Amino acid sequence: GQQVMQIPQYQHVQEGEDFTTYCNSSTTLSNIQWYKQRPGGHPVFLIQLVKSGEVKKQKRLTFQFGEAKKNSSLHITATQTTDVGTYFCAVGSSNTGKLIFGQGTTLQVKP
Amino acid sequence: NAGVTQTPKFRILKIGQSMTLQCTQDMNHNYMYWYRQDPGMGLKLIYYSVGAGITDKGEVPNGYNVSRSTTEDFPLRLELAAPSQTSVYFCASSGASSTDTQYFGPGTRLTVL
Repeated sequence: GQQVMQIPQYQHVQEGEDFTTYCNSSTTLSNIQWYKQRPGGHPVFLIQLVKSGEVKKQKRLTFQFGEAKKNSSLHITATQTTDVGTYFCAVGSSNTGKLIFGQGTTLQVKP
Repeated sequence: NAGVTQTPKFRILKIGQSMTLQCTQDMNHNYMYWYRQDPGMGLKLIYYSVGAGITDKGEVPNGYNVSRSTTEDFPLRLELAAPSQTSVYFCASSGASSTDTQYFGPGTRLTVL
């Protein structure tokens, strides 16, 4: 069945350093969504990418959809302690018609 | 709009007890979901519903039951609680389709001792 792999699983950075998480699929995707979950909180929708090669920015966050629509990345420039949390990608399954969440990348930021 | 609300926020159960986790959404969404999230792990789909009266199993349905009598409510029932059901439970809803943006409730933190 369709799988989505997210790497790395954990990342510790010094405040001010950049951070990137990657989401890779075994099949071509129609779209991809990104969510953020703060420690002790619930997942919150960040953005959806639909077009091949699409790049979207939200302040210090840059989201990219691969040209082949099989992978995506989330890049945070100059991390801050408020960026701490787990970032999930989610893709629609062509088999089940449901959203499949990646395992998440947990970001820790040292002040 | 309150979005998705869940009750209770926390609960401790003894092995063998039963309980119902409540979930309500006020966005008139057709699709609703129950996930569990074990410590440091991702989200696992327990059950989902595509509309009132229609439910289906997700990835990890054993030990749980659901019902969907109204568009707004999607309760999750735990029968004969086991320590393996210690987890955080999230309810979510989406509007246009089952792959549309999902809106999550604040979660219920359940411990089974």
